[in-house]
Amino acid sequence: GQQLNQSPQSMFIQEGEDVSMNCTSSSIFNTWLWYKQDPGEGPVLLIALYKAGELTSNGRLTAQFGITRKDSFLNISASIPSDVGIYFCAGQLPYNTDKLIFGTGTRLQVFP
Amino acid sequence: SQTIHQWPATLVQPVGSPLSLECTVEGTSNPNLYWYRQAAGRGLQLLFYSVGIGQISSEVPQNLSASRPQDRQFILSSKKLLLSDSGFYLCAWNSGVGSNQPQHFGDGTRLSIL
Repeated sequence: GQQLNQSPQSMFIQEGEDVSMNCTSSSIFNTWLWYKQDPGEGPVLLIALYKAGELTSNGRLTAQFGITRKDSFLNISASIPSDVGIYFCAGQLPYNTDKLIFGTGTRLQVFP
Repeated sequence: SQTIHQWPATLVQPVGSPLSLECTVEGTSNPNLYWYRQAAGRGLQLLFYSVGIGQISSEVPQNLSASRPQDRQFILSSKKLLLSDSGFYLCAWNSGVGSNQPQHFGDGTRLSIL
C-alpha cells in the first residue's frame, strides 16, 4: 500500500542532543499526525496537525505541517533515554479521511 | 474517557489452525475501527476498516477476514493460518463524527505461527 517517505530511517544520538525527523509525500494531506511506538506496544499519538503552516508543541516535542501540505517534521529537544522508540508520521488524504497513510518510521536510540 | 482493549496479548498457533483476535472500544459510540499488521521493524499495513456494524472494507487480499458484530467490537479471523500470518496485529479506533480525527491504538497482539 501507499506509504510516506520518512527520514532518517534510524538515529543514534547522545542524551541531551536535539533530534529532527521528517516526512514527505507527492500527495497533499489534510492532517498530519506523529506517533511514538515503544517495543511491544501500540503507537501513541504525540501531536496532531490540521492546518498548513501550523506549528504545535507538546513538551519537548515540536511538529509542523508543511506549507505545501506535502510534508511535516518533528523535532525533539534535549533528548532523554525514554525518548527511545520508533516514531511514525501519518497523514489523512483529503478524499478519504477514514484512512491513515503511515510513514516507514524512524528508530531513535539515545545513549546516556 | 475512551479506551481500547485487544486480546490476547500474545498467541502461538500452529500452521493451519483457526484464529480469532478481538478488539473492543469503550466510552464512545459508532467509532471507526481498524485492523493493522506490523512486520518486525516495519511500518503499519492497514488490513481492514469498518465505519459501522456489519460494514467491512478490505485493503489487501489475504488469508484473513474481519467482522463487526457489535458497534464497539471488531474481530479479526482466519480459518487456516499460514506462516506468513505471523506479526504484530494492532486494532485502532477514531471518532466516526466529523473528519480528520486521529486514530488511537490498542496494545497489540503478537502472533507467532509455528
